Amino acid sequence: QQQVKQSPQSLIVQKGGIPIINCAYENTAFDYFPWYQQFPGKGPALLIAIRPDVSEKKEGRFTISFNKSAKQFSLHIMDSQPGDSATYFCAAAYNNNDMRFGAGTRLTVKP
Amino acid sequence: NAGVTQTPKFQVLKTGQSMTLQCAQDMNHNSMYWYRQDPGMGLRLIYYSASEGTTDKGEVPNGYNVSRLNKREFSLRLESAAPSQTSVYFCASSEIGGRTEAFFGQGTRLTVV
Repeated sequence: QQQVKQSPQSLIVQKGGIPIINCAYENTAFDYFPWYQQFPGKGPALLIAIRPDVSEKKEGRFTISFNKSAKQFSLHIMDSQPGDSATYFCAAAYNNNDMRFGAGTRLTVKP
Repeated sequence: NAGVTQTPKFQVLKTGQSMTLQCAQDMNHNSMYWYRQDPGMGLRLIYYSASEGTTDKGEVPNGYNVSRLNKREFSLRLESAAPSQTSVYFCASSEIGGRTEAFFGQGTRLTVV
């Protein structure tokens, strides 16, 4: 039983499109919500993270939207590029060391 | 600037064999983690160590043991490997816990036949 549900499993967009990846969680004890990016053969790397006291955070072309009442958060990639093709994981962490990941979304950006 | 280093990168085991996956970090981080990654399952936490001398079970600890040898090193042991443990294993570290950036190693691809 995954504590963080992520959708879609895979996503294909054209260059310049805006892919959106969604995550939902149940446990209101989660208070840190990072997104990780993983390229084939590599370990995941932190992309952007948000805490529940803000509703949106932008870093470059990446934006997290956070809806605390709905227990949902999403990643938007503006002006997507072929180099953004990767697997994206959302995650949620407690007030300890236990971080739980979603199942991942494989994004393909076509030239 | 090595970050998090895992060894080996690839390993094939026979059912019932044992092995230890090694992990070392050079960032002076307090917390270290072991995850397994399976298709469609994302990353699942096996064990973590909040600080030197402490270890705790994560989501899927059965069949594994860990040792936090010192602040730098955190090893994962499979005492009697099973085909269900075929996976990619990632070690990670973070400064002070789950709410700070975790840095991941390159992974160990383990196949149990």
